[in-house]
Amino acid sequence: EVHLVESGGGLVKPGGSLRLSCAASGFTFNDAWMSWVRQAPRKGLEWVGRIYIKTNGGTTDHAAPVKGRFTISRDDSKNTLYLQMNSLKTEDTAVYYCTTYDKGAFQIWGQGTMVTVSS
Amino acid sequence: QSALTQPASVSGSPGQSITISCTGTSSDVGGYNYVSWYQQRPGKAPKLMIYEVTNRPSGVSNRFSGSKSGNTASLTISGLQAEDEADYYCASYTSSITLVFGGGTKLTVL
Repeated sequence: EVHLVESGGGLVKPGGSLRLSCAASGFTFNDAWMSWVRQAPRKGLEWVGRIYIKTNGGTTDHAAPVKGRFTISRDDSKNTLYLQMNSLKTEDTAVYYCTTYDKGAFQIWGQGTMVTVSS
Repeated sequence: QSALTQPASVSGSPGQSITISCTGTSSDVGGYNYVSWYQQRPGKAPKLMIYEVTNRPSGVSNRFSGSKSGNTASLTISGLQAEDEADYYCASYTSSITLVFGGGTKLTVL
């Protein structure tokens, strides 16, 4: 069974940093394009970014609101996806979901991890 | 990239059909067949219901169908059931090589 489990969320002060992890199982992780999507409290879904597989260069795309502050990476040897978040702002407060990305869609979702940015 | 436009809410009675629209531009919905739809129940993670405009993942009921005309995509749910009550989001690939979601639609089953 395909599983994505996020971890690393918590409370952080504005300007601080946090690294989220997403452990994958049940599929060939190094063949999967992956993405992060977030959802602020009582708000809609927002795409954060995407990482390609190594054979596609392992390149990343990030949404404008997080570009230059957030970095997506992957460790295929550990079947793990990461989201490094720096210079955090209060508006980054959200549940962060890890997803697989295929055929232009977010196919499989994790349960999410909550990030709260507050002083 | 602006969010795609969805109605804030729709409602229907059990057994009826409802349609949720998702309007974008020629740079997203109208330009690519990478429109997808997600169902999100309260407190749960979203679930993919439709991808590539019309395709259903394995396990999704055939009561759910998708379509597109110009810059507007649509999700139709036929034979409405109480369990269909949820928030629904559309998403599209864009010419900026990004992804964009709609604002979400709350479906109420009367």
